[in-house]
Amino acid sequence: DSGVTQTPKHLITATGQRVTLRCSPRSGDLSVYWYQQSLDQGLQFLIHYYNGEERAKGNILERFSAQQFPDLHSELNLSSLELGDSALYFCASSVGGGLGNTEAFFGQGTRLTVV
Amino acid sequence: AQSVAQPEDQVNVAEGNPLTVKCTYSVSGNPYLFWYVQYPNRGLQFLLKYITGDNLVKGSYGFEAEFNKSQTSFHLKKPSALVSDSALYFCAVRDITGNTPLVFGKGTRLSVIA
Repeated sequence: DSGVTQTPKHLITATGQRVTLRCSPRSGDLSVYWYQQSLDQGLQFLIHYYNGEERAKGNILERFSAQQFPDLHSELNLSSLELGDSALYFCASSVGGGLGNTEAFFGQGTRLTVV
Repeated sequence: AQSVAQPEDQVNVAEGNPLTVKCTYSVSGNPYLFWYVQYPNRGLQFLLKYITGDNLVKGSYGFEAEFNKSQTSFHLKKPSALVSDSALYFCAVRDITGNTPLVFGKGTRLSVIA
């Protein structure tokens, strides 16, 4: 168990809908990262938050947004969902702000299926 | 921009034989390098990392990796493979000079055959 908790584990929703994925980082970790894993694209970095502030953005669509709350948990909001958004979404956390040599610890992921 | 290449989608090895999973990287400065493993329906688990110092890094479950700066490689190795090592392996890199998150390769599926 990595200590990173993601909910829900599975989500099935229709095209055009909006969903929220939740992540609780390991105790003491200030950084939260979101990744999307799909069969054809591999593991794609979406966004990084450190202590409530956005630090880096990757290949995140405008339909997607995220935030990190004062208690350090994070939410990834996906809207106007399309079939192609079906993927496994991972959250990871680390102690540092993304600059250092610290490894990130991953949650078990949320499998999103858009039908 | 930083990137990672894992040239093999699949590696098959017999149980008890040594295994190697290849990784090459590209960064503008010096790298921090990581290996992760993903078992079915699970998140990624950290195996080992290279930060500085000895080019041979030892990690969890008997895995090790060798950093080769001239070849920009960080291959994952294990002297004797187990069936339970069958999983998806990811190499990742971060440029130590930049404020960047980990960039992952596409993964290599390792299959250890009894």
